[in-house]
Amino acid sequence: NAGVTQTPKFQVLKTGQSMTLQCAQDMNHEYMSWYRQDPGMGLRLIHYSVGAGITDQGEVPNGYNVSRSTTEDFPLRLLSAAPSQTSVYFCASSLGGARGEQFFGPGTRLTVL
Amino acid sequence: AQSVTQLGSHVSVSEGALVLLRCNYSSSVPPYLFWYVQYPNQGLQLLLKYTSAATLVKGINGFEAEFKKSETSFHLTKPSAHMSDAAEYFCAVGNQGGKLIFGQGTELSVKP
Repeated sequence: NAGVTQTPKFQVLKTGQSMTLQCAQDMNHEYMSWYRQDPGMGLRLIHYSVGAGITDQGEVPNGYNVSRSTTEDFPLRLLSAAPSQTSVYFCASSLGGARGEQFFGPGTRLTVL
Repeated sequence: AQSVTQLGSHVSVSEGALVLLRCNYSSSVPPYLFWYVQYPNQGLQLLLKYTSAATLVKGINGFEAEFKKSETSFHLTKPSAHMSDAAEYFCAVGNQGGKLIFGQGTELSVKP
């Protein structure tokens, strides 16, 4: 049981490049979410999903796209990277939605030059 | 809309002293409240959660939190700090709408 996995662990992009951050979980959790963590700002919710085929916006969705074609996977796409998207990104999953314990991945540290 | 405010971005205590980390929330519906801990270069892990069953919630590692509706607070306490408690602590509020919102975090330092 690997829990929540994220790839890559580190990534450097140039402004304007696109990329996809991968997130997978093997716990059969319906609820998955993406957060970004910036110093002094805590974790801010980007997008979340309550099940396959269903996604919704969080607090800071601009510049990011998500899709949920399977229960296991919830990729986060940066369409045109900007320096303001330099951050640490965490994926999480939960059996009880936003009311349940969240299981976090190890994070992806992204730098946009 | 729901929100969380953590008072104090950095708290420093001596080993053996009381730990008190403050959290206030706003929510238009009965909230589910959480405290998470993050050790350096790691993801977050759950310390404890309030789900309306009892106002005093006990968590792991000797931490507990008390839900006070009249004060819209959910402060985290531990009677005696250990060096291993040094970490960043996050308060969060969730509801059935699907959004889990975190506070800004409080970094706890423990002095020997």
